[in-house]
Amino acid sequence: QKEVEQDPGPLSVPEGAIVSLNCTYSNSAFQYFMWYRQYSRKGPELLMYTYSSGNKEDGRFTAQVDKSSKYISLFIRDSQPSDSATYLCAMSASTLIFGTGTRLQVFP
Amino acid sequence: DGGITQSPKYLFRKEGQNVTLSCEQNLNHDAMYWYRQDPGQGLRLIYYSQIVNDFQKGDIAEGYSVSREKKESFPLTVTSAQKNPTAFYLCASRTGMNTEAFFGQGTRLTVV
Repeated sequence: QKEVEQDPGPLSVPEGAIVSLNCTYSNSAFQYFMWYRQYSRKGPELLMYTYSSGNKEDGRFTAQVDKSSKYISLFIRDSQPSDSATYLCAMSASTLIFGTGTRLQVFP
Repeated sequence: DGGITQSPKYLFRKEGQNVTLSCEQNLNHDAMYWYRQDPGQGLRLIYYSQIVNDFQKGDIAEGYSVSREKKESFPLTVTSAQKNPTAFYLCASRTGMNTEAFFGQGTRLTVV
């Protein structure tokens, strides 16, 4: 079993939809959680980070952590075609452990 | 501007050659990381360094070497022992454990 599981998609949604991206993890020692957005042939860009259970909101993005279930989510409201990218979750230990990424396509 | 700079953006290697990928950061971060990204496989850790003059192997270190002589620099050498080096290489840095990490724009290495 991988330490971090993430559905690779692709996930295809119409413009304006609410998108839900999820990761599960197995190591209860993880305390810091991040979401990255990666456009094709570019480096990952940090979107959100959180170190506690609950919700954190930034504009159209909301990160949610449920440590009891070992489950994290990223919600994107009013999705735009420019949100089309691969989204990576990451967990912090002595190193950074990444999910495989979910490819999102938002069509006009 | 603070950030992480990887160079070159594209690199071509002949069979049997060693090549070195550069990673420089001016964020005053202690920890630096090298990842390899292949289609459908996510990011796999090659090497990481938490402090100057110290580094540890990641999950796929065979065929790679690194050095950390300066805080701001963490070059990666892809040696001829790496049998399948064609990939997208990403460098990242952060202050320490339980802090967010930032990435460079990557180097795409192709064996010709």
